[in-house]
Amino acid sequence: SAVISQKPSRDICQRGTSLTIQCQVDSQVTMMFWYRQQPGQSLTLIATANQGSEATYESGFVIDKFPISRPNLTFSTLTVSNMSPEDSSIYLCSVESGDTEAFFGQGTRLTVV
Amino acid sequence: SQELEQSPQSLIVQEGKNLTINCTSSKTLYGLYWYKQKYGEGLIFLMMLQKGGEEKSHEKITAKLDEKKQQSSLHITASQPSHAGIYLCGADGGATNKLIFGTGTLLAVQP
Repeated sequence: SAVISQKPSRDICQRGTSLTIQCQVDSQVTMMFWYRQQPGQSLTLIATANQGSEATYESGFVIDKFPISRPNLTFSTLTVSNMSPEDSSIYLCSVESGDTEAFFGQGTRLTVV
Repeated sequence: SQELEQSPQSLIVQEGKNLTINCTSSKTLYGLYWYKQKYGEGLIFLMMLQKGGEEKSHEKITAKLDEKKQQSSLHITASQPSHAGIYLCGADGGATNKLIFGTGTLLAVQP
């Protein structure tokens, strides 16, 4: 199994500012993902964080708004840039461990005011 | 694209009662995950089903994947307040290793 540490756990930010969320895994993993859960909705995949190369973004998400870093196999960051109240969500990182399970961080609850 | 529909959207049961949550896919499921989410916590992995007809249990929670592999059910026996939370089904995206999720079922258990 993989243990994921995600921080911050919550933040309240002013619109127009940026927030960087960190995701640290206790073991090397190949696949790391970033999800968003908007109020009242299910999880939506933002992007796949690729080690050593640019992240792969899903439709509707762009690098300028959600820049992602993946410097090694145990760490990734997601930045929410130029925030607006519509960005208020829970952001979750996830890792794949083998072929049987996916693990999630505790999430970052972001409120933009 | 594949879609997952969960039912019911929300559920309130009395402690001790049994309940079932369903997850229906628009396409064949190659891997179906059940998670539980509580406020302030991450997603807690419950179990994964891969084979048609497969059934797994963990404590008082049982999940099944139907033979046609397009629907899964999660059954809780003798519910307790600790079972309260949001239950999410997730489907394996196949070669992409991405998961897609259902809309979630909010469960409240009244003492």
